[in-house]
Amino acid sequence: AQKVTQAQTEISVVEKEDVTLDCVYETRDTTYYLFWYKQPPSGELVFLIRRNSFDEQNEISGRYSWNFQKSTSSFNFTITASQVVDSAVYFCALSEGGWRTGTASKLTFGTGTRLQVTL
Amino acid sequence: AAGVIQSPRHLIKEKRETATLKCYPIPRHDTVYWYQQGPGQDPQFLISFYEKMQSDKGSIPDRFSAQQFSDYHSELNMSSLELGDSALYFCASSLGRGQRSSGANVLTFGAGSRLTVL
Repeated sequence: AQKVTQAQTEISVVEKEDVTLDCVYETRDTTYYLFWYKQPPSGELVFLIRRNSFDEQNEISGRYSWNFQKSTSSFNFTITASQVVDSAVYFCALSEGGWRTGTASKLTFGTGTRLQVTL
Repeated sequence: AAGVIQSPRHLIKEKRETATLKCYPIPRHDTVYWYQQGPGQDPQFLISFYEKMQSDKGSIPDRFSAQQFSDYHSELNMSSLELGDSALYFCASSLGRGQRSSGANVLTFGAGSRLTVL
């Protein structure tokens, strides 16, 4: 069975600080996808990134960066120079098997990390 | 770009009543997923459909049913509503069969339908 753990329930930082959100996953599948979604106070789920299990390259997109390490089953998310607009709940998610079959699979979410960025 | 459309956005019902939520996927998306998110919780998978057939089932109560229609929109029917059904219900869509190089496609979520049961 697949499982995603986000041990940090809530993080508070002051604007311009860097912050890292941790994500650890469990899966028996060798082919899987990892995702991060953002849920701002307005409630919608916004896709941030997808990573497949064969691509361990780190990725940077503006102030966002992701560090995927299969050896530790982790997919951590770092926000550099945080801003108030980054305040949201961030979910890490996992889907299994889709890469191999070419079919889309459901997502299993972690419990989320609430990030509060203050001035 | 067109997104996933959910209606209604807000719904208030009494206990034991029935509610129907609708979801219109992104054009050309053939797979629809339903998720339930209780207050302060993560989204929980309920059910999914690919090409109008149920493709996967999660923790969907027997009081709930869903289907995907010929135009690919989906409806989630909830009967005998309970207080614990109060939640944000998300619909997501994706391409069910992507190219092998892209594999499982990204789920795009709608804005959600907030159900309150009194």
